[in-house]
Amino acid sequence: GESVGLHLPTLSVQEGDNSIINCAYSNSASDYFIWYKQESGKGPQFIIDIRSNMDKRQGQRVTVLLNKTVKHLSLQIAATQPGDSAVYFCAENISNTGNQFYFGTGTSLTVIP
Amino acid sequence: EPEVTQTPSHQVTQMGQEVILRCVPISNHLYFYWYRQILGQKVEFLVSFYNNEISEKSEIFDDQFSVERPDGSNFTLKIRSTKLEDSAMYFCASSPRTGVSNGYTFGSGTRLTVV
Repeated sequence: GESVGLHLPTLSVQEGDNSIINCAYSNSASDYFIWYKQESGKGPQFIIDIRSNMDKRQGQRVTVLLNKTVKHLSLQIAATQPGDSAVYFCAENISNTGNQFYFGTGTSLTVIP
Repeated sequence: EPEVTQTPSHQVTQMGQEVILRCVPISNHLYFYWYRQILGQKVEFLVSFYNNEISEKSEIFDDQFSVERPDGSNFTLKIRSTKLEDSAMYFCASSPRTGVSNGYTFGSGTRLTVV
């Protein structure tokens, strides 16, 4: 069962530094993953995705790494900016069970100017 | 850029009352979803909807909940008799077709407060 009253992991970085946000997913059958950014009062916003047949994917300033052996995802943000401050969630999808996503607990990133 | 629109942005209701949360998905999308997020917790899947019927639903989506696409543009979530624990952000999402990698867009949410 799930825990209640989850405490959100937090990460504080200096502006300009690189950020690494980690996520452990639960289901070895998951084959598609998305990192979402959620700013206060807003819905999850797509950042980058990766399929299970890949171990790395790069976007603009962001890189996602996937380690299926240990069921671990990471999001790397290069040259972090104040606008990157938000809560970041990983979400997993199991393609043969439907279109729903299962979200992780999230990490709150604070960028210090 | 197309977006999913949700109304109202904030709704306060008395316990036991019915509420309807409204969503306008992206116009060429075929799959519609509701998620909720209790304050400080993770986003949880409630239900998906395709071709005018429920595709999947979670254990959270009990008989108190229902969804409807009353016309060609709106997608609604109804909670029949709200409980205090229904207080949460409710997010609508839509995607264009099977295969979630083809675009899955969330709305900004409706904050439901049950008092």
